[in-house]
Amino acid sequence: GEQVEQRPPHLSVREGDSAVIICTYTDPNSYYFFWYKQEPGAGLQLLMKVFSSTEINEGQGFTVLLNKKDKQLSLNLTAAHPGDSAVYFCAVSPPYASSGSWQLIFGSGTQLTVMP
Amino acid sequence: NSKVIQTPRYLVKGQGQKAKMRCIPEKGHPVVFWYQQNKNNEFKFLINFQNQEVLQQIDMTEKRFSAECPSNSPCSLEIQSSEAGDSALYLCASRSQNTLYFGAGTRLSVL
Repeated sequence: GEQVEQRPPHLSVREGDSAVIICTYTDPNSYYFFWYKQEPGAGLQLLMKVFSSTEINEGQGFTVLLNKKDKQLSLNLTAAHPGDSAVYFCAVSPPYASSGSWQLIFGSGTQLTVMP
Repeated sequence: NSKVIQTPRYLVKGQGQKAKMRCIPEKGHPVVFWYQQNKNNEFKFLINFQNQEVLQQIDMTEKRFSAECPSNSPCSLEIQSSEAGDSALYLCASRSQNTLYFGAGTRLSVL
């Protein structure tokens, strides 16, 4: 089955610096790719969803790059600020299945700390 | 922002006690998922269902866990006899357009 490796597990940057988190997946049939942010004591906040046909997406203060050739997904926070401190998870899913077997496979998470 | 509502936020139970948590999915999202997130940030899929029907569940949930989504009532996940290893954050999510939207979770502590 699908396996998702996420790195680094911990990342500390200064305010204003960039922060890059990378996920590598194994199943070439994976179709939907997600980044979630989890603040302390909170659930998962969806940052961005990308499809297999999309390579670069820009959000508010971050960029997501999908490299299908290398089966890699990355999140780049371009100018991090302390409010970005959280745990970030990538997640991968297959194309929609009419049965109940559709699921998200999560990476192991990256604890990002942004220091003032 | 997600509109999935989970209650309670925190739940403390003794071993062997029942633990019940509730989830109101986003309106119009017919498929609901339950995940368990442990202290190592590992996610374990527990069960999902569409409207009132279970679509898929793992072996663990077949024995001690049950979930339901009655019409016009919150969905629920219940652990019949809590064990210390059940201590975790339980996340409910509803699905729309192949995207999961998560609630804030219920943190269960089994003493």
